[in-house]
Amino acid sequence: GAVVSQHPSWVICKSGTSVKIECRSLDFQATTMFWYRQFPKQSLMLMATSNEGSKATYEQGVEKDKFLINHASLTLSTLTVTSAHPEDSSFYICSARVRERQGHSGANVLTFGAGSRLTVL
Amino acid sequence: RKEVEQDPGPFNVPEGATVAFNCTYSNSASQSFFWYRQDCRKEPKLLMSVYSSGNEDGRFTAQLNRASQYISLLIRDSKLSDSATYLCVVNPTTGNNRLAFGKGNQVVVIP
Repeated sequence: GAVVSQHPSWVICKSGTSVKIECRSLDFQATTMFWYRQFPKQSLMLMATSNEGSKATYEQGVEKDKFLINHASLTLSTLTVTSAHPEDSSFYICSARVRERQGHSGANVLTFGAGSRLTVL
Repeated sequence: RKEVEQDPGPFNVPEGATVAFNCTYSNSASQSFFWYRQDCRKEPKLLMSVYSSGNEDGRFTAQLNRASQYISLLIRDSKLSDSATYLCVVNPTTGNNRLAFGKGNQVVVIP
């Protein structure tokens, strides 16, 4: 099945540094990828939609200059957390749409990367 | 009102028992519905889609009630490995990729 590979799985950094998270679609092309953030015991919150070859679309309240998204190819999207601070510590997850193979809905379902747990000291 | 609401629980379930929970959604025009399973500190994984006619996969049964705007998940013969958080996911509008996630129903299966 479709696999989305995400790394690093966890990272600890000092306040003020930048952290890059990569998300790759391994056996399919993803023109669109989604970046989510999840705080403990909270819902996944969509941060931005990454579009291959064009600018990302950010959700309201998400700073585009702080969370830089690059989608340079059909299989790779990156999220860079610039000048990270402790309040940016969270679980960041990427995902891509995959057409459901089983069943009859034909719906596009989300396949997630394994997530990146960021801790900013 | 939140787009998707779930009772976070936890739902403590004796092994072998049946557990069921609902998820309500606010947008009556919502088109697609899913249940995802998320283990602690892991990514969500698709458990099943929820069709208008319902969906059953082994011990798991999902139902959609459009009139009352909720979906349900029932787990029969609970296993210890079923312990996880079950996320309700709704696509509020047609062709829109902006899925709405509930906070999840935490299920703890007790030996």
